[in-house]
Amino acid sequence: QVQLQQSGPGLLKPSQTLSLTCAISGDSVSSNSAVWNWVRQSPSRGLEWLGRTYYRSKWYYDSAVSVKSRITINPDTSKNQFSLQLKSVSPEDTAMYYCVRGSGNSGFDFWGQGSLVSVSS
Amino acid sequence: DIVMTQSPLSLPVSPGEPASISCRSSQSLLYSNGHTYLDWYLQRPGQSPQLLIYLGSSRASGVPDRFSGSGSGTEFTLKISRVEAEDVGVYYCMQALQTPRTFGQGTKLEIK
Repeated sequence: QVQLQQSGPGLLKPSQTLSLTCAISGDSVSSNSAVWNWVRQSPSRGLEWLGRTYYRSKWYYDSAVSVKSRITINPDTSKNQFSLQLKSVSPEDTAMYYCVRGSGNSGFDFWGQGSLVSVSS
Repeated sequence: DIVMTQSPLSLPVSPGEPASISCRSSQSLLYSNGHTYLDWYLQRPGQSPQLLIYLGSSRASGVPDRFSGSGSGTEFTLKISRVEAEDVGVYYCMQALQTPRTFGQGTKLEIK
């Protein structure tokens, strides 16, 4: 059974960098069939896909246009995890953040427990 | 971006009664391989979303057969044949055809 365990600080000030990590068990971040995503949820924006990384003989990355200039998603093969960095946060980035496994055509089948991130001065 | 629109936004249902949620996409979710890239998720109170249906009509592992997905092109439906108390939560559709993945606004199912 795949499990995704999220960690990272929950309180940030404006202009700081959000950093979250998602530790994977039961699968590999280097899997040739999985896609590793970050999704956030807020009352104002609902569920919002932020970006993903995946390995298909080489690493691929893509992200939502709304955060493209601020986001970095990195795999860490030595620790079997992947991370999210979001630079220059503002109160609008306050949300619950989820790491999610996508499995081929089979949807987003495993979700992390969620990390509540609040941005406030 | 593909816009996903759900209705209704609120759905009160009596136990044992059927329920139906609609989802419309701003463009067809049918890909050239014949698959339709529409998923359904349930977010129970205080929990992370969980996958119910993928590729429009395929039930995810462990999902009861009272849940079914149907539709094609731009119009989709999630049906619950007999609602149970554990079905309470918010249901979301998501298009998986292209990035960015986009979700509907959610339909909140409550027990009458």
